[in-house]
Amino acid sequence: SQTIHQWPATLVQPVGSPLSLECTVEGTSNPNLYWYRQAAGRGLQLLFYSVGIGQISSEVPQNLSASRPQDRQFILSSKKLLLSDSGFYLCAWSPGTQVIYFGEGSWLTVV
Amino acid sequence: SQKIEQNSEALNIQEGKTATLTCNYTNYSPAYLQWYRQDPGRGPVFLLLIRENEKEKRKERLKVTFDTTLKQSLFHITASQPADSATYLCARMDTGRRALTFGSGTRLQVQP
Repeated sequence: SQTIHQWPATLVQPVGSPLSLECTVEGTSNPNLYWYRQAAGRGLQLLFYSVGIGQISSEVPQNLSASRPQDRQFILSSKKLLLSDSGFYLCAWSPGTQVIYFGEGSWLTVV
Repeated sequence: SQKIEQNSEALNIQEGKTATLTCNYTNYSPAYLQWYRQDPGRGPVFLLLIRENEKEKRKERLKVTFDTTLKQSLFHITASQPADSATYLCARMDTGRRALTFGSGTRLQVQP
């Protein structure tokens, strides 16, 4: 069966520091991969999605970036965090169908 | 722009009653609508998908309807239980990209 792993689960970072969140999917190949963000009490906002290695579509042109160095690996990065980057970050995958499957999420607090 | 809206932020009902949640969409008629459940601090979990040519879909105590005239989907939980308390999200796949747009969610609280 397929599983998705996302880490770290929680992190507290100072303003201006870099960020790296990592996500891997097991048990499938060539998945569509996604990063969503959920601010406190808010809905899910799509940040990036990828349909293949090196193919990244950006929905939010801010100080975040994403990379897909391997088929089942998706990384969310920032060079300098802002306070507004705080939130709940969710990696997700899809086999190409309508349904997507989420990881457990990463809580980011920027202080 | 293609919007999907869940107008009720919260819904409180008594155990045993039927919960009905509403999802409305504008400007574009999606071929599918989906419903997810999200517990606090967790990722959303897929529940049901309904196609535009399906009027109704059922799974155990869950029922989803899709009304293309009203541009609305209703999500029902019958014989609700306190364990059904969670946030429920509707979502649709956007044209031109393979990603879901979610509504803001309705927080359901079932009182024992």
